[in-house]
Amino acid sequence: GAVVSQHPSWVICKSGTSVKIECRSLDFQATTMFWYRQFPKQSLMLMATSNEGSKATYEQGVEKDKFLINHASLTLSTLTVTSAHPEDSSFYICSARDGTGLLNTIYFGEGSWLTVV
Amino acid sequence: EDQVTQSPEALRLQEGESSSLNCSYTVSGLRGLFWYRQDPGKGPEFLFTLYSAGEEKEKERLKATLTKKESFLHITAPKPEDSATYLCAVQARTGNQFYFGTGTSLTVIP
Repeated sequence: GAVVSQHPSWVICKSGTSVKIECRSLDFQATTMFWYRQFPKQSLMLMATSNEGSKATYEQGVEKDKFLINHASLTLSTLTVTSAHPEDSSFYICSARDGTGLLNTIYFGEGSWLTVV
Repeated sequence: EDQVTQSPEALRLQEGESSSLNCSYTVSGLRGLFWYRQDPGKGPEFLFTLYSAGEEKEKERLKATLTKKESFLHITAPKPEDSATYLCAVQARTGNQFYFGTGTSLTVIP
């Protein structure tokens, strides 16, 4: 099946620094990628939708200057948490839409745990 | 307004006790309904896609069905390793948006 790789799996950073999370579709072209945030025992919260080569569309309440999303190629999207603070600590998950065939299914990465200390 | 509701929020089953999870949806034209399994601390794992009412998909002990208003995920003779959160999502015909339910947390007791 389709594979979406997310890196790093976990990261610890100091407050005030920036951290980048990568999301790659390994065996399909992903014209659209999604970034989610998930708190313990809660459902996925969509942060933004990114289309290759264009600016991301952010959900209401998500600061676009704090959560920078780049989707420069059909297989790679990055999420950069800028000037991270402890309240940004969370589980971040990306997904990629395989729209090349009839399936039009989205596949998820394994997620990235971010801890800001 | 497009919406997805899953029930129950949590379900505890004895090993071998079959049951069903529900996903009710309202969407302006369904493009697809998706079921995922999510283990703690991991990203959701794709299970099924259903496209039209009457369609059914099976995988091991899981069977997904679809009507015009809801989908069921039937679990037959579950095992402890089936314990996870099961997420349902729908995609409308227009736009790229996927709408997720809040999930059903399934615990299968040996």
